[in-house]
Amino acid sequence: GQQVMQIPQYQHVQEGEDFTTYCNSSTTLSNIQWYKQRPGGHPVFLIQLVKSGEVKKQKRLTFQFGEAKKNSSLHITATQTTDVGTYFCAGPYTNAGKSTFGDGTTLTVKP
Amino acid sequence: DTEVTQTPKHLVMGMTNKKSLKCEQHMGHRAMYWYKQKAKKPPELMFVYSYEKLSINESVPSRFSPECPNSSLLNLHLHALQPEDSALYLCASSQGGTGKHKAFFGQGTRLTVV
Repeated sequence: GQQVMQIPQYQHVQEGEDFTTYCNSSTTLSNIQWYKQRPGGHPVFLIQLVKSGEVKKQKRLTFQFGEAKKNSSLHITATQTTDVGTYFCAGPYTNAGKSTFGDGTTLTVKP
Repeated sequence: DTEVTQTPKHLVMGMTNKKSLKCEQHMGHRAMYWYKQKAKKPPELMFVYSYEKLSINESVPSRFSPECPNSSLLNLHLHALQPEDSALYLCASSQGGTGKHKAFFGQGTRLTVV
């Protein structure tokens, strides 16, 4: 079945450094979503990617969808303390109804 | 209104209790979800309702019983839970129920089973 693997599990950076999290699927995805969950909070939708090779930017965040639509990445430039949290990628449900959240990457930022 | 409201925010219940979690949205979304999230883990899908009908049940034990009274409300009835069921229970909604639409999550109910 479809699985979405996400690495790294944890990333500790100094404020101002860049950060990247990667998502890989064993199968082609029709779309991929990214969510952010702050400590003690709930997941908040960031973006959805649909097209092969798609790149979208939100201020310091850059999202990419691979050409084969099997991988995706989220890159944050010059991290700030407000970026702390866990970033999840999520694929669509399969016909079998399997949900596909990645395990998440937890980002901590040292001021 | 782009909120999903969950009540209660915290719940402590004994293993013989019956309780219900409630979720409400007024965005006109036709899909609503229950997720379970353990600490340091991703949300784990439990149920999906699409157009008020249960469309996905991820092999959840029968001690969890979902209900969708109307398109804006979603309940999760709990009975005879186990301590390992302690977790954050998240409700979400979206325009469609296939994982291809932006999902809005509620703040969650932090459940402790004693």
